[in-house]
Amino acid sequence: EPEVTQTPSHQVTQMGQEVILRCVPISNHLYFYWYRQILGQKVEFLVSFYNNEISEKSEIFDDQFSVERPDGSNFTLKIRSTKLEDSAMYFCASSLGGTRAQPQHFGDGTRLSIL
Amino acid sequence: DAKTTQPPSMDCAEGRAANLPCNHSTISGNEYVYWYRQIHSQGPQYIIHGLKNNETNEMASLIITEDRKSSTLILPHATLRDTAVYYCIVRVVTNAGKSTFGDGTTLTVKP
Repeated sequence: EPEVTQTPSHQVTQMGQEVILRCVPISNHLYFYWYRQILGQKVEFLVSFYNNEISEKSEIFDDQFSVERPDGSNFTLKIRSTKLEDSAMYFCASSLGGTRAQPQHFGDGTRLSIL
Repeated sequence: DAKTTQPPSMDCAEGRAANLPCNHSTISGNEYVYWYRQIHSQGPQYIIHGLKNNETNEMASLIITEDRKSSTLILPHATLRDTAVYYCIVRVVTNAGKSTFGDGTTLTVKP
């Protein structure tokens, strides 16, 4: 069964450095998302993306965050200047769209550790 | 999106049916009910979803009450591998619509 893949599985970065998290959504999906989960807390929505534009973003998704679909397969989340509080699991998701009620399918995440 | 209420934890004996309830009394007519689970910090795994009719797939069954104010996810023969946090999510169905996760129910399947 097709799945969302994320790389790397674990990223360790110094505070203040830029980090790029990568995702390969399911190939025929059209809607893409990023979520994060701080250890012991709920899964939180960050941003949704369709047709090369942000559709919706949460208040967490400030100017330090950006998303991009640089080619036909990858979907990336960039954090420009990381902070300690950015340490979390980051999950990418995609959905088919086109037909109502299509579920989102999630990758297994990237664990981001900021030192 | 409508708020959901789930019990924080439940136990189930291996091989028995696990029935996980969810209350969504403020659900709107254009909101679907989705169930996901998360096994030990892996990504949320989609299980099933529905609008008002009962649904069944290879993983589970979803029973939605006639007034749509509550639903039950049924795992017919729970195994130890079904131990996970189960999330009931009510979501307005726009294609780019976000999923709002609550605290979910931690289901522990015991031998």
